[in-house]
Order: sequence, then structure tokens, then C-alpha cells
Amino acid sequence: AQSVSQHNHHVILSEAASLELGCNYSYGGTVNLFWYVQYPGQHLQLLLKYFSGDPLVKGIKGFEAEFIKSKFSFNLRKPSVQWSDTAEYFCAVIGTGNQFYFGTGTSLTVIP
Amino acid sequence: DTGVSQDPRHKITKRGQNVTFRCDPISEHNRLYWYRQTLGQGPEFLTYFQNEAQLEKSRLLSDRFSAERPKGSFSTLEIQRTEQGDSAMYLCASSSLNGPQHFGDGTRLSIL
Repeated sequence: AQSVSQHNHHVILSEAASLELGCNYSYGGTVNLFWYVQYPGQHLQLLLKYFSGDPLVKGIKGFEAEFIKSKFSFNLRKPSVQWSDTAEYFCAVIGTGNQFYFGTGTSLTVIP
Repeated sequence: DTGVSQDPRHKITKRGQNVTFRCDPISEHNRLYWYRQTLGQGPEFLTYFQNEAQLEKSRLLSDRFSAERPKGSFSTLEIQRTEQGDSAMYLCASSSLNGPQHFGDGTRLSIL
């Protein structure tokens, strides 16, 4: 069965620090991977997605993620975080029925 | 704003009552999904439609839950004989055939 693991439950960083959030998936077929962000009081928004091709994917707001097939990982990165990046981040993989399997989320707090 | 719309935003009801939620997807999207999200967890897939056909249901969707999308546009999710454990945020998302899912703001259900 498909599953997604996010090992960092809560991350606290100072502004301008670099960010890397871990995501590991378990799925035997062709993977479509996503990172979604949920700002306080808002709905889930797509940050970036990987379907195929270049394993380094660039998304909105300076975020990027790297798909490493051998490690079953899709980690999210940003070189320099801002206070406005404070949010909940969810990694997700699409299953056979086109439904998402989400990780439990990582809460990011950026201190000004 | 032509995003996914959910109604109501918040529903408070007594245990044992029936509740119904509505989701209006982005108009050109033919796929519609329902998820449930509890505190500290990522969204969990419940069911999805392609046009008016309900193509997959999670085992989380007990007999008390039913979803419809009668004309392939809006969808309703009904919970009968609500229980304490049904308290959660119910999320709706829509997508085109191969596109990413766009989420609504959700309906927060509180069972007294």
C-alpha cells in the first residue's frame, strides 16, 4: 500500500536560514509526488509537483524539491526562509486510484 | 474567485444527527475528491468522482457516510447518525483529468 512519511513534525528556524523537510514514500509503481502548503487559516495550496523528467523540481515562492528514486525520497528545500513561510507543509503521493496519500505534515515556524 | 467552494464552513451538531456538506468544484474539473483531516494529521482520502461516477471509496467511509455527485458538478457528503469520532475537517478537492488537485477551505464538523 502507498504511504508517505514526514519525519520532521515541527521545525523552528530563524529568518534567512536554509530549510530541508524530509519526505519518504512507499509505492511500487510510477510515482507522482507533490508538496502542498497550508498557511494559517487558509486552504491547501500546491507548492510543486513531480511527474517525470528532471528530478529537481522548482515550485512557487523559491521552493524546490528533489526526487531521489533510489532513496524513495522527495525532500523540500528552500535556501533562505522568510517569516511568511510559517505554515504546515504536506508531502503527498498519488495512488492507483488517483487519490492522494498525504504525510502527517511538518509545521514550520520561522522566527523573525 | 473561481476556486473550490465548500459550504458550510463550520457545522456544529449533536451526536446522532445527520449532516450534509456541499462542494462546488472548479467548473472545468471533472474529478472531485473528499478527504477528512483531523488535528495533527494529513488529509485522509475518503472518496472520489469522475464526472458523476463514484470511482473509489476508502475503507474509512463507513455505511453512515454517503457521497453523491448527481450531475457531475457539485457534490454532497452526508453523514448519518453522527458520532464523536466524526469531528474533523472535511476537505473537497477537484482536478482535471491529469492535473493537480485544488482544495477548498473545508467544512469543520464539531459533534457535541
